[in-house]
Amino acid sequence: GEDVEQSLFLSVREGDSSVINCTYTDSSSTYLYWYKQEPGAGLQLLTYIFSNMDMKQDQRLTVLLNKKDKHLSLRIADTQTGDSAIYFCAEKRNDYKLSFGAGTTVTVRA
Amino acid sequence: DTEVTQTPKHLVMGMTNKKSLKCEQHMGHRAMYWYKQKAKKPPELMFVYSYEKLSINESVPSRFSPECPNSSLLNLHLHALQPEDSALYLCASSQATGELFFGEGSRLTVL
Repeated sequence: GEDVEQSLFLSVREGDSSVINCTYTDSSSTYLYWYKQEPGAGLQLLTYIFSNMDMKQDQRLTVLLNKKDKHLSLRIADTQTGDSAIYFCAEKRNDYKLSFGAGTTVTVRA
Repeated sequence: DTEVTQTPKHLVMGMTNKKSLKCEQHMGHRAMYWYKQKAKKPPELMFVYSYEKLSINESVPSRFSPECPNSSLLNLHLHALQPEDSALYLCASSQATGELFFGEGSRLTVL
């Protein structure tokens, strides 16, 4: 199985907040990332958090990290139709390798 | 400029063809990557070049041959591929230990 786990689907109403959750296993992870992938496109880096931080906020995005429980979440405030995409959580294991979760497909409904 | 450019965007090839995928970045990054992504799945690492030297090969079949001509360019040479190799091939770059920036990918179909 994967070392980084995410729920596969999330449906949210436009204007509400979305919360995408992720759990990881490697306590030595240095950075944790959130990537967004729209249909037919590459991966777009949304935000990242260093492992000694608890929270990071960037405009509509809030990342929370619970290192004790190895739990990472991404909150998107005021979700818009353009936020419909697959969101990947990833942890950095060493200098070059990222371990990705399976991805959460977010569908925004009107 | 946080851009990684990949060409071609789409490629259809037969199992006996030889083709190449190209990737370019001008961010001064010294690490470049090839990933393979199947539909609805996360990307899978294939190769990593660091300072123009191959540093990671994730046991990729020899029908995929990477090349890093200089610090800005990364190629993936394809020969005798199988239909199951059809996928989105993503290039990425990073500073040595920093976040990865991905290109838009090259969608490969092997007939």
